[in-house]
Order: sequence, then structure tokens, then C-alpha cells
Amino acid sequence: KQEVTQIPAALSVPEGENLVLNCSFTDSAIYNLQWFRQDPGKGLTSLLLIQSSQREQTSGRLNASLDKSSGRSTLYIAASQPGDSATYLCAVLATPSNDYKLSFGAGTTVTVRA
Amino acid sequence: NAGVTQTPKFQVLKTGQSMTLQCAQDMNHNSMYWYRQDPGMGLRLIYYSASEGTTDKGEVPNGYNVSRLNKREFSLRLESAAPSQTSVYFCASSEDWGSDTQYFGPGTRLTVL
Repeated sequence: KQEVTQIPAALSVPEGENLVLNCSFTDSAIYNLQWFRQDPGKGLTSLLLIQSSQREQTSGRLNASLDKSSGRSTLYIAASQPGDSATYLCAVLATPSNDYKLSFGAGTTVTVRA
Repeated sequence: NAGVTQTPKFQVLKTGQSMTLQCAQDMNHNSMYWYRQDPGMGLRLIYYSASEGTTDKGEVPNGYNVSRLNKREFSLRLESAAPSQTSVYFCASSEDWGSDTQYFGPGTRLTVL
């Protein structure tokens, strides 16, 4: 059974500091890994998706890396802003032989202080 | 496009009451999903519908039933609500089963007293 862990559970940084969010998973047989953002009381918004054959993806100030062999992904957010305050979830999509099941971590709640 | 919509946004039930959570998507997606999110835990899959006319159990199906009414709509029913079903429920859809990205609705916050 795939287990997805995100540490730390919460993070508070001053504005302008770079954010580093960690995600680990136990089964390296994944189809892809995705990072989501969740604002309080809202649904999930996809930020970045990394295919199992890729090492990283970038979008603006966001960069996500994937090391499938070690079961780790890291989301970097450069020059953080108060608007980056949210909960960030990672999710791994299992391979077809595992019914494409999407497994989520519990999330890291980020607060960027102005 | 509204994307994925869910009703209601909030609901309070007493133990033993029943209710149906509604979900609709306007993206012409084939696959739809119901998740629950509890504090300190990731989202867990309750049921999914890989395509119109099919439904399958996910990780935590007990106490729930679903109906894929048509391609657009996928409802979740609690026949006899229990306090353990207090949670935030999310509906999601994707183009196909196994598609890269799932699109999520805003959620329904359910409290069972």
C-alpha cells in the first residue's frame, strides 16, 4: 500500500525567503507525482505534475523535483509572498497495474509573514 | 466553464439521517471521483466512476453509495449518517481513467452530530 508523507506539517517563513516542501512515498512504481495547492475552505488546484520519467518541472517561481528511486519529491517556491500562504499537498498516481490509484499526503500548511 | 461544482457547501446532519451530495462537471470528462479529507490525513478515495455506467469502490467505501446519473453528474449518498462521517467531501473529474490530472470541486463540509 502506497504511503505518502509530507514533512513538516506546518511551516512559517518571512516574506522573501525560499520555501522547500518535502514529499516522500514508499512505492517507487508510480505513474506520476503531482503537487496541489489548497486554500482554506477551497478545493485543490494543481500546481505541477511530474511524469515518472522526468526529474523536474518548473512553472514561474515553482520548481518540483522527483527522485523516484529514493521515493522523494521536493517543491521549491522562490522568493515567497504572503499570497503563497496555503496548504500544499503532494499526490502520487499509481501505475495501471495498481488501478491508477491516487494517494495523497496530509499536506504542509505554509504561512508567509509579511 | 464552471468546472466541477458541488452542492451543498455545508450540511449538518443528526446521526441516522440520510442525504445525497451532488457533483457535476462541464468538461465532458469520462471519469469522476469522490474523496473525503480529514484533519491530519490526506484525501482518501471513497468511490469512483471510470466511465459513465460504471462505479467502483475506493479505499473507504463503507457507509456510502454512489450513482453516476449521466456523464456530467456523480452523486454520493449517506444512507444512515454516523459521526465518523464528519468530514470534507471533494468530488473530482478527469478526462479518462488514469489521466494525468484530476480537477477538484470546492468541497462539501459535512458535520454529523
